[in-house]
Amino acid sequence: AQRVTQPEKLLSVFKGAPVELKCNYSYSGSPELFWYVQYSRQRLQLLLRHISRESIKGFTADLNKGETSFHLKKPFAQEEDSAMYYCAQLTGGGNKLTFGTGTQLKVEL
Amino acid sequence: NAGVMQNPRHLVRRRGQEARLRCSPMKGHSHVYWYRQLPEEGLKFMVYLQKENIIDESGMPKERFSAEFPKEGPSILRIQQVVRGDSAAYFCASSPPGGARTEAFFGQGTRLTVV
Repeated sequence: AQRVTQPEKLLSVFKGAPVELKCNYSYSGSPELFWYVQYSRQRLQLLLRHISRESIKGFTADLNKGETSFHLKKPFAQEEDSAMYYCAQLTGGGNKLTFGTGTQLKVEL
Repeated sequence: NAGVMQNPRHLVRRRGQEARLRCSPMKGHSHVYWYRQLPEEGLKFMVYLQKENIIDESGMPKERFSAEFPKEGPSILRIQQVVRGDSAAYFCASSPPGGARTEAFFGQGTRLTVV
């Protein structure tokens, strides 16, 4: 079965520090990967997808097939980045998203 | 567009009762997904439906759980004879015709508590 692993339940950084949220996926020839974010009291929403190669709110994520990783990075954390972040992989022939357990990012002043 | 609407937001049921969770997808979306989140766990896929069809129910428990997405009206996740272990947050998501490959839009969830 496809698995998505986020090893950190909680990541605490100071404002202005770099952020890296780790995500590893199980091998799948051409994976389709996403990062979803849930801010406090809001619904889960798409942050970015690897296929778009986009930067959203200063976040980027690079697919590393050799390490089967899709880590989320931001050079300078902001207070408003505090949220729950979920890595997800499209599985089941493209029918569903398999989510990691999530990482709570806390940006402290 | 109001987004994916789930109701109720909170549902309390006694053991043995039935729970009905409703999900209205975004306008124009024909794909609906249900996920369950147990405490301290991530979202687990349950079922994927299109209008009047179940496409993938590989994550649904074999007994007591069923889902439908009728031609008219919301998608319904039904849990019969609930047990304490069914207590969880249930999330619905919908996608435009491209499916989850494009983007999944999530509702705010229904928190089911079985007492």
